Amino acid sequence: IQMTQSPSILPASVGDRVTITCRASQNINNCLAWYQQKPGKAPKLLIYKISSLEYGVPSRFSGSGSGTEFTLTISSLQPDDFATYYCQQCQAYSQWTFGQGTKVEI
Amino acid sequence: QVQLQESGPGLVKPSETLSLTCTVSGVSINLYNWNWIRQPADMGLEWIGRVSASGNTNYNSALKSRVAMSIDTSTNQFSLKLTSVTAADTARYFCAKDPGGGAPDSWGQGILVTVSS
Repeated sequence: IQMTQSPSILPASVGDRVTITCRASQNINNCLAWYQQKPGKAPKLLIYKISSLEYGVPSRFSGSGSGTEFTLTISSLQPDDFATYYCQQCQAYSQWTFGQGTKVEI
Repeated sequence: QVQLQESGPGLVKPSETLSLTCTVSGVSINLYNWNWIRQPADMGLEWIGRVSASGNTNYNSALKSRVAMSIDTSTNQFSLKLTSVTAADTARYFCAKDPGGGAPDSWGQGILVTVSS
């Protein structure tokens, strides 16, 4: 299953509402997660099962979608949110795949 | 608090075998599935494979012929072996815990492995 994210780069400002899209090459039901990664660090799980917020993740992060199209929304971008975001499918449980990433930059 | 720590050589020669270990603390390795994921410099994430507490494995089909994973419940460690490495295998390698929902929620800091003579 191929995962395609858009855009690849997202210029934004503090306070902006930001939306990142992830499209799957086939139906992945609810097996979709989002991660945030900062330079030199491991990815951090933000959302799992499309819209479930990981414990400790701020509520300005939300996920939605179904089937093959999914979105990650940051309701009001904060300085700490400038990072690269990845989607990941786990529908084909034996073969996980990630999107290519979206860099949110100033 | 769950912690994962990768260890192993940072430099491997072409055609040789890359061997890494992930040491898990704060939780019994018997409870979850354990994954290896890699990331070449300035590129995206690639899932390598997983090993369950019982030793069952699933591998990325693109790497399957060269990958082997194992688990040692007595030491709370699991390992990765990747044979016949080339420069294309140069990457930061992460180990990660999957609580069962298909989304790894705890990651090691990663270890940079360079393939070079």
